[in-house]
Amino acid sequence: DTAVSQTPKYLVTQMGNDKSIKCEQNLGHDTMYWYKQDSKKFLKIMFSYNNKELIINETVPNRFSPKSPDKAHLNLHINSLELGDSAVYFCASSQEGTHTQYFGPGTRLTVL
Amino acid sequence: KQEVTQIPAALSVPEGENLVLNCSFTDSAIYNLQWFRQDPGKGLTSLLLIQSSQREQTSGRLNASLDKSSGRSTLYIAASQPGDSATYLCAVKDDYKLSFGAGTTVTVRA
Repeated sequence: DTAVSQTPKYLVTQMGNDKSIKCEQNLGHDTMYWYKQDSKKFLKIMFSYNNKELIINETVPNRFSPKSPDKAHLNLHINSLELGDSAVYFCASSQEGTHTQYFGPGTRLTVL
Repeated sequence: KQEVTQIPAALSVPEGENLVLNCSFTDSAIYNLQWFRQDPGKGLTSLLLIQSSQREQTSGRLNASLDKSSGRSTLYIAASQPGDSATYLCAVKDDYKLSFGAGTTVTVRA
C-alpha cells in the first residue's frame, strides 16, 4: 500500500494554463507538506498544513494555492503557469512529535 | 536562515569501500537531523533520523553522527554495494520545516 501518493506523476502543459496536483496520505498523519525540487536538485519547502490549517507559507508566488479538504489530502493548485514553474513537486507527511517525514514519488511538471 | 551544505557533491568508489558523506548547517537550534536517499526519478526514502539530544543513530550498514554544537553530521556507509548508488540528502528540522542540503550523488562501481 502506498503511504503517500501523488497524481499525476508527469504533467506537461502550456504557459498560462491552470493545473492541480493531488496528494493523499494513508498514514493517519496530521501534517502535510509541499516541496519544490528545481533543476539543481535543491528541495525547498513551499507549504505546510497541520490539521487542515496552513502553518508554513514560504516565499511562494500567490499563483500557488494549497487546498486541504481533509487531513489526508493536500492539493496544490497553480494558476497562470510560467516556464520557471517547471520542477519536480513532492508531497510529504508526518505526525507531529515523531518528526520523520514520508515523501510521495513526486510530480514532474514541465511548462512549455 | 538555516543553510545546509553537503560535501562532496559527488563521490565515486569501488564496491566494498566505506563511504563518508558530510553535512554542515549554520544554525544549531535544530530539533533533529534526517538523512534521506533519493533514486533517479523517485521520491525520498528516510534512512536515519537523529534527535537533537542524540549523538548517533545506526541502521544496518549505516551510521550517522551528529555534533550539534559544531553544526555537523556525517553519514557512514560500510562496505558499499552497487545498490547504494543514489543521491543522499541531509535535512535539518527547525520549527515546522525541513531545510535540505543539495545532496551528495554516490556511484559505487562493481
